[in-house]
Amino acid sequence: AQKVTQAQTEISVVEKEDVTLDCVYETRDTTYYLFWYKQPPSGELVFLIRRNSFDEQNEISGRYSWNFQKSTSSFNFTITASQVVDSAVYFCALSEVLQGAQKLVFGQGTRLTINP
Amino acid sequence: DAGVTQSPTHLIKTRGQQVTLRCSPISGHKSVSWYQQVLGQGPQFIFQYYEKEERGRGNFPDRFSARQFPNYSSELNVNALLLGDSALYLCASSLPGTGEETQYFGPGTRLLVL
Repeated sequence: AQKVTQAQTEISVVEKEDVTLDCVYETRDTTYYLFWYKQPPSGELVFLIRRNSFDEQNEISGRYSWNFQKSTSSFNFTITASQVVDSAVYFCALSEVLQGAQKLVFGQGTRLTINP
Repeated sequence: DAGVTQSPTHLIKTRGQQVTLRCSPISGHKSVSWYQQVLGQGPQFIFQYYEKEERGRGNFPDRFSARQFPNYSSELNVNALLLGDSALYLCASSLPGTGEETQYFGPGTRLLVL
């Protein structure tokens, strides 16, 4: 079965520090998709990125960057020069096709607190 | 363009009651998925609807059911509520595809069962 592990339950840093959120996944599929979502206190899951298993290029979007390493089954997320507005719970997710449906398997989430 | 909308935002019910939650997908999206998120955990897949048919169900009892309407909006019904059903219920919409489509989530409905 698919599994996503986010070993860091909570991280707290001071504003402007860089922070990396770890994500390790397990799958038997050769084709799969990985996602990161942000969940602020309001509760809505905000989509950040999707990466397919054939594309191991790192991606950068402003202060956000993602490091996908298939060899170690990891898809880590780094925030550079963190800001208070980055405080949220971050989820890594893996797609799985179940009975024709695309199902997302989520990790437990990492609660990130950026202190001023 | 409007995102995924859900109603109500909050709901309080007592054990044994029934509840209906509503979701409107992003315009043009035909697939709706429902997830349950218990406090402190990641969301868990309940089921997905596409073209008014259920395709795929997670490990949830038959007390959980849903339907999708011709305008692709969806309702989630939970019968015989248990205390353990207290959670944030998230709806996500996506474009139909072969499984790689991105799911966009609504703000959720917070259900408290007393």
